[in-house]
Amino acid sequence: DTEVTQTPKHLVMGMTNKKSLKCEQHMGHRAMYWYKQKAKKPPELMFVYSYEKLSINESVPSRFSPECPNSSLLNLHLHALQPEDSALYLCASSGRGLTEAFFGQGTRLTVV
Amino acid sequence: AQKVTQAQTEISVVEKEDVTLDCVYETRDTTYYLFWYKQPPSGELVFLIRRNSFDEQNEISGRYSWNFQKSTSSFNFTITASQVVDSAVYFCALSEARYQFYFGTGTSLTVIP
Repeated sequence: DTEVTQTPKHLVMGMTNKKSLKCEQHMGHRAMYWYKQKAKKPPELMFVYSYEKLSINESVPSRFSPECPNSSLLNLHLHALQPEDSALYLCASSGRGLTEAFFGQGTRLTVV
Repeated sequence: AQKVTQAQTEISVVEKEDVTLDCVYETRDTTYYLFWYKQPPSGELVFLIRRNSFDEQNEISGRYSWNFQKSTSSFNFTITASQVVDSAVYFCALSEARYQFYFGTGTSLTVIP
């Protein structure tokens, strides 16, 4: 099972809303990632959790708040977003060592 | 400096033609990994292959083949007898350290029926 599941698939939110993106994997991976992808661009790393601890934060604005409740779940809490934050948000996970990352289908976020 | 260069932004081929997607990388590390991912319109990045820096063997998987040449820092991807379902954006990526994946800018492939 190489599946990473993200919900919701689509999300439209206003600039004053609070919403959360969810990601789940059951591959036993201990590293989980959030990426942001704008149209016609490669994915950009936002956060990495390793063994449920935040390992990398790529200077992401505080209106994005990650959370890793357990080894299978990863959340991204959104608050007071801007229209330029509209993008595809991808979750990924990887196993030990320098192995490939497995990605979910993403959440297409539109901020209005 | 760009660590992974995919010079081909967009490619169009007619179905059943062969097509090669180029990837050139830059690293000073002796240990690193290279990857190819496919991103169809649905959005998911689908893992295709991983190659480590110590393994220069070329690989074939069905209609897909990969040519890794350290001498030219290239890791090219060939699709033989292309099909419409191959239409997607393809990303080459490099990993030098844990959790760090450097993606190229992607090549958008359109296969015309």
